[in-house]
Amino acid sequence: AQSVTQPDIHITVSEGASLELRCNYSYGATPYLFWYVQSPGQGLQLLLKYFSGDTLVQGIKGFEAEFKRSQSSFNLRKPSVHWSDAAEYFCAVSGTQGGSEKLVFGKGTKLTVNP
Amino acid sequence: NAGVMQNPRHLVRRRGQEARLRCSPMKGHSHVYWYRQLPEEGLKFMVYLQKENIIDESGMPKERFSAEFPKEGPSILRIQQVVRGDSAAYFCASSHGQGDGYTFGSGTRLTVV
Repeated sequence: AQSVTQPDIHITVSEGASLELRCNYSYGATPYLFWYVQSPGQGLQLLLKYFSGDTLVQGIKGFEAEFKRSQSSFNLRKPSVHWSDAAEYFCAVSGTQGGSEKLVFGKGTKLTVNP
Repeated sequence: NAGVMQNPRHLVRRRGQEARLRCSPMKGHSHVYWYRQLPEEGLKFMVYLQKENIIDESGMPKERFSAEFPKEGPSILRIQQVVRGDSAAYFCASSHGQGDGYTFGSGTRLTVV
Protein backbone atom coordinates (compact mmCIF):
# COMPACT_ATOMS: atom_id res chain seq x y z
CA ALA A 1 0.00 0.00 0.00
CA GLN A 2 1.09 3.53 -0.64
CA SER A 3 2.32 5.54 2.32
CA VAL A 4 4.11 8.79 3.00
CA THR A 5 6.23 9.59 6.03
CA GLN A 6 7.17 13.07 7.10
CA PRO A 7 9.49 12.43 10.05
CA ASP A 8 9.46 15.98 11.39
CA ILE A 9 6.20 17.10 12.94
CA HIS A 10 7.45 20.60 13.73
CA ILE A 11 10.48 22.54 12.51
CA THR A 12 11.62 26.00 13.60
CA VAL A 13 14.08 28.03 11.57
CA SER A 14 15.27 31.63 11.62
CA GLU A 15 14.33 33.95 8.81
CA GLY A 16 17.00 33.82 6.13
CA ALA A 17 18.16 30.35 7.08
CA SER A 18 17.98 27.40 4.73
CA LEU A 19 15.23 24.81 5.01
CA GLU A 20 14.86 21.14 4.25
CA LEU A 21 11.67 19.21 4.91
CA ARG A 22 11.92 15.46 4.67
CA CYS A 23 9.54 13.13 2.90
CA ASN A 24 9.82 9.37 2.39
CA TYR A 25 7.32 7.38 0.42
CA SER A 26 6.43 3.78 -0.13
CA TYR A 27 5.02 2.85 -3.50
CA GLY A 28 5.53 -0.15 -5.73
CA ALA A 29 5.72 1.61 -9.07
CA THR A 30 6.99 4.98 -10.21
CA PRO A 31 5.15 7.56 -8.17
CA TYR A 32 3.81 10.99 -8.84
CA LEU A 33 5.04 13.16 -5.97
CA PHE A 34 3.70 16.45 -4.70
CA TRP A 35 4.37 19.07 -2.08
CA TYR A 36 1.51 21.24 -0.83
CA VAL A 37 1.46 24.13 1.62
CA GLN A 38 -1.45 25.00 3.88
CA SER A 39 -1.78 28.25 5.80
CA PRO A 40 -3.99 28.20 8.91
CA GLY A 41 -7.66 27.91 8.01
CA GLN A 42 -6.89 27.71 4.31
CA GLY A 43 -6.88 25.11 1.59
CA LEU A 44 -3.86 23.47 0.02
CA GLN A 45 -1.67 25.19 -2.51
CA LEU A 46 0.55 23.17 -4.81
CA LEU A 47 4.23 24.06 -4.46
CA LEU A 48 5.64 21.59 -6.95
CA LYS A 49 5.22 18.13 -8.42
CA TYR A 50 7.39 15.39 -9.87
CA PHE A 51 6.17 13.11 -12.62
CA SER A 52 9.29 12.10 -14.55
CA GLY A 53 12.49 13.47 -16.04
CA ASP A 54 14.83 15.77 -14.16
CA THR A 55 14.89 14.68 -10.54
CA LEU A 56 15.36 18.24 -9.29
CA VAL A 57 12.05 20.04 -9.51
CA GLN A 58 11.56 23.78 -9.20
CA GLY A 59 8.38 25.12 -7.69
CA ILE A 60 6.74 28.35 -6.70
CA LYS A 61 7.92 30.71 -3.96
CA GLY A 62 11.55 29.66 -4.40
CA PHE A 63 11.03 26.04 -3.33
CA GLU A 64 12.64 23.03 -4.94
CA ALA A 65 12.56 19.29 -4.30
CA GLU A 66 14.75 16.40 -5.29
CA PHE A 67 13.47 12.94 -6.13
CA LYS A 68 15.86 10.20 -5.00
CA ARG A 69 14.58 6.82 -6.07
CA SER A 70 17.28 4.89 -4.20
CA GLN A 71 16.23 6.53 -0.94
CA SER A 72 12.50 6.71 -1.70
CA SER A 73 12.69 10.36 -0.78
CA PHE A 74 11.36 13.64 -2.09
CA ASN A 75 12.74 16.33 0.22
CA LEU A 76 11.67 19.94 -0.06
CA ARG A 77 14.26 22.70 0.15
CA LYS A 78 14.50 26.45 0.18
CA PRO A 79 17.81 28.32 0.42
CA SER A 80 16.50 31.30 2.41
CA VAL A 81 13.26 31.20 4.38
CA HIS A 82 10.92 34.18 4.64
CA TRP A 83 8.55 34.85 7.53
CA SER A 84 5.63 34.32 5.15
CA ASP A 85 6.72 30.70 4.65
CA ALA A 86 5.40 29.80 8.10
CA ALA A 87 2.71 27.22 7.39
CA GLU A 88 2.14 23.49 7.30
CA TYR A 89 3.67 21.47 4.50
CA PHE A 90 2.34 18.20 3.16
CA CYS A 91 4.06 15.66 0.96
CA ALA A 92 1.82 13.39 -1.12
CA VAL A 93 2.11 10.50 -3.55
CA SER A 94 -0.15 9.23 -6.29
CA GLY A 95 0.00 6.32 -8.68
CA THR A 96 0.83 6.43 -12.36
CA GLN A 97 -1.49 3.67 -13.37
CA GLY A 98 -5.00 4.11 -14.62
CA GLY A 99 -7.99 4.15 -12.33
CA SER A 100 -8.21 6.10 -9.13
CA GLU A 101 -5.66 8.83 -8.81
CA LYS A 102 -6.18 9.55 -5.16
CA LEU A 103 -3.42 11.28 -3.25
CA VAL A 104 -1.91 9.73 -0.15
CA PHE A 105 -0.65 12.39 2.22
CA GLY A 106 1.91 12.49 4.96
CA LYS A 107 0.85 13.92 8.31
CA GLY A 108 2.53 17.21 7.59
CA THR A 109 5.38 19.32 8.94
CA LYS A 110 4.54 22.56 10.66
CA LEU A 111 7.09 25.27 9.96
CA THR A 112 7.69 28.15 12.37
CA VAL A 113 9.91 31.02 11.25
CA ASN A 114 11.64 33.12 13.90
CA PRO A 115 12.48 36.75 13.10
CA ASN B 1 -11.21 31.25 -14.12
CA ALA B 2 -12.55 30.42 -10.71
CA GLY B 3 -10.80 27.70 -8.77
CA VAL B 4 -12.47 24.88 -6.91
CA MET B 5 -15.38 26.34 -4.99
CA GLN B 6 -16.56 24.79 -1.77
CA ASN B 7 -19.47 25.90 0.33
CA PRO B 8 -20.23 26.57 2.98
CA ARG B 9 -16.85 27.51 4.43
CA HIS B 10 -18.09 26.77 7.94
CA LEU B 11 -20.96 24.52 8.95
CA VAL B 12 -22.29 23.87 12.42
CA ARG B 13 -24.63 20.97 13.00
CA ARG B 14 -26.15 19.41 16.08
CA ARG B 15 -25.66 15.71 16.68
CA GLY B 16 -28.14 13.73 14.61
CA GLN B 17 -28.61 16.35 11.90
CA GLU B 18 -27.54 16.04 8.30
CA ALA B 19 -24.59 17.88 6.76
CA ARG B 20 -24.36 18.67 3.04
CA LEU B 21 -21.06 19.88 1.66
CA ARG B 22 -20.82 21.20 -1.89
CA CYS B 23 -17.95 21.30 -4.32
CA SER B 24 -17.86 22.90 -7.76
CA PRO B 25 -14.75 21.78 -9.64
CA MET B 26 -12.62 23.98 -11.81
CA LYS B 27 -14.02 24.63 -15.25
CA GLY B 28 -13.19 21.73 -17.52
CA HIS B 29 -12.35 19.35 -14.68
CA SER B 30 -14.44 16.20 -14.58
CA HIS B 31 -12.68 14.38 -11.71
CA VAL B 32 -13.55 15.21 -8.11
CA TYR B 33 -11.95 13.92 -4.94
CA TRP B 34 -13.03 14.41 -1.34
CA TYR B 35 -10.59 14.37 1.58
CA ARG B 36 -11.05 14.74 5.31
CA GLN B 37 -8.56 16.42 7.61
CA LEU B 38 -8.79 15.73 11.31
CA PRO B 39 -6.89 17.91 13.81
CA GLU B 40 -3.14 17.21 13.81
CA GLU B 41 -3.60 14.79 10.91
CA GLY B 42 -2.88 14.90 7.22
CA LEU B 43 -5.59 14.62 4.64
CA LYS B 44 -7.28 11.25 4.25
CA PHE B 45 -8.83 10.22 0.96
CA MET B 46 -12.54 9.55 1.08
CA VAL B 47 -13.97 9.22 -2.41
CA TYR B 48 -13.18 9.80 -6.08
CA LEU B 49 -15.95 10.61 -8.53
CA GLN B 50 -16.39 11.39 -12.16
CA LYS B 51 -19.59 12.74 -13.60
CA GLU B 52 -22.44 10.49 -12.43
CA ASN B 53 -20.01 7.76 -11.33
CA ILE B 54 -18.26 6.80 -8.12
CA ILE B 55 -14.85 5.49 -9.13
CA ASP B 56 -13.31 4.75 -5.74
CA GLU B 57 -15.04 5.03 -2.38
CA SER B 58 -12.51 2.99 -0.42
CA GLY B 59 -11.99 5.80 2.09
CA MET B 60 -15.64 6.41 2.86
CA PRO B 61 -17.05 5.23 6.18
CA LYS B 62 -19.50 2.42 5.55
CA GLU B 63 -22.44 4.15 7.14
CA ARG B 64 -23.92 7.65 7.11
CA PHE B 65 -21.60 9.02 4.41
CA SER B 66 -22.45 9.31 0.73
CA ALA B 67 -21.23 11.30 -2.24
CA GLU B 68 -22.50 12.17 -5.66
CA PHE B 69 -21.40 14.14 -8.69
CA PRO B 70 -24.44 14.63 -10.91
CA LYS B 71 -24.40 15.47 -14.58
CA GLU B 72 -25.36 19.01 -13.73
CA GLY B 73 -24.36 20.86 -10.60
CA PRO B 74 -21.78 20.48 -7.89
CA SER B 75 -20.51 17.38 -6.18
CA ILE B 76 -22.18 16.77 -2.83
CA LEU B 77 -20.75 15.03 0.21
CA ARG B 78 -23.58 14.10 2.53
CA ILE B 79 -23.23 13.04 6.13
CA GLN B 80 -26.36 11.77 7.83
CA GLN B 81 -26.93 11.73 11.59
CA VAL B 82 -23.69 13.54 12.32
CA VAL B 83 -21.69 12.72 15.44
CA ARG B 84 -18.97 14.72 17.20
CA GLY B 85 -16.29 12.59 15.56
CA ASP B 86 -17.35 13.93 12.16
CA SER B 87 -16.03 17.37 13.11
CA ALA B 88 -13.21 18.02 10.66
CA ALA B 89 -12.20 20.01 7.62
CA TYR B 90 -13.45 18.50 4.39
CA PHE B 91 -11.56 19.35 1.23
CA CYS B 92 -12.50 18.85 -2.35
CA ALA B 93 -10.01 18.65 -5.20
CA SER B 94 -10.53 18.45 -8.94
CA SER B 95 -8.43 17.48 -11.93
CA HIS B 96 -8.52 16.78 -15.66
CA GLY B 97 -7.58 13.17 -15.06
CA GLN B 98 -4.56 10.99 -14.71
CA GLY B 99 -1.34 12.55 -13.59
CA ASP B 100 -1.88 16.22 -14.21
CA GLY B 101 -2.15 17.35 -10.63
CA TYR B 102 -5.02 18.47 -8.50
CA THR B 103 -6.51 21.80 -7.48
CA PHE B 104 -7.91 22.04 -3.98
CA GLY B 105 -10.75 24.10 -2.65
CA SER B 106 -10.55 26.07 0.58
CA GLY B 107 -12.47 23.44 2.47
CA THR B 108 -15.58 23.22 4.62
CA ARG B 109 -15.02 23.16 8.33
CA LEU B 110 -17.72 21.08 9.96
CA THR B 111 -18.35 21.41 13.66
CA VAL B 112 -20.78 19.06 15.36
CA VAL B 113 -22.13 20.32 18.66
